[in-house]
Amino acid sequence: DIQMTQSPSSLSASVGDRVTITCQASQDISNYLNWYQQKPGKAPKLLIYDASNLETGVPSRFSGSGSGTDFTFTISSLQPEDIATYYCQQYDNLPPIFGPGTKVDIK
Amino acid sequence: QVTLRESGPALVKPTQTLTLTCTFSGFSLSTSGMCVSWIRQPPGKALEWLALIDWDDDKYYSTSLKTRLTISKDTSKNQVVLTMTNMDPVDTATYYCARAPVDSSGLPYYFDYWGQGTLVTVSS
Repeated sequence: DIQMTQSPSSLSASVGDRVTITCQASQDISNYLNWYQQKPGKAPKLLIYDASNLETGVPSRFSGSGSGTDFTFTISSLQPEDIATYYCQQYDNLPPIFGPGTKVDIK
Repeated sequence: QVTLRESGPALVKPTQTLTLTCTFSGFSLSTSGMCVSWIRQPPGKALEWLALIDWDDDKYYSTSLKTRLTISKDTSKNQVVLTMTNMDPVDTATYYCARAPVDSSGLPYYFDYWGQGTLVTVSS
């Protein structure tokens, strides 16, 4: 199985800050990577697919980039409603593995 | 609109078999290029993919759990059922079903619609 890692595991930032999360795959997955947001007590929500494509209706302050093994997820200006855990997920191979998550808090 | 809803017991005893049902609407699992997956999340932990079934009745399972899992569908009822045998307290988790379109390679592309999840506790 492909292994996914994320860093950091958690972060605190101020409203308006730029936030960056990285995700690394254990082997080349091209751009077959998705990002999800999960708020406490809620199901995950798809934000970005194919590493950099914004899902319909998702605010443009969210973005993703990368290919191969290294990927980046960015919130350009952190908002209070962005408090959540963010997960990357590869779909290059079965099983579709999720990363361990990054918890984002407001400082 | 697309909705999914999980149902099943909230509490199971160790060694018992868990049966969960995902009832969905707004799409059909007889439509080419669609699948439904089960994904779980232990309290305070990460998401773990368990199994999927696609429109063509192809089934795939988690490497570590495949001996305990069975997934099936009833297209006429718009339902997907997951059974997990020999339940253990470490299987305590919120269990989600989620829809995914399937890409040209036959792999689930992204999970675009999720159920609300159902918490299953394994305890004697």
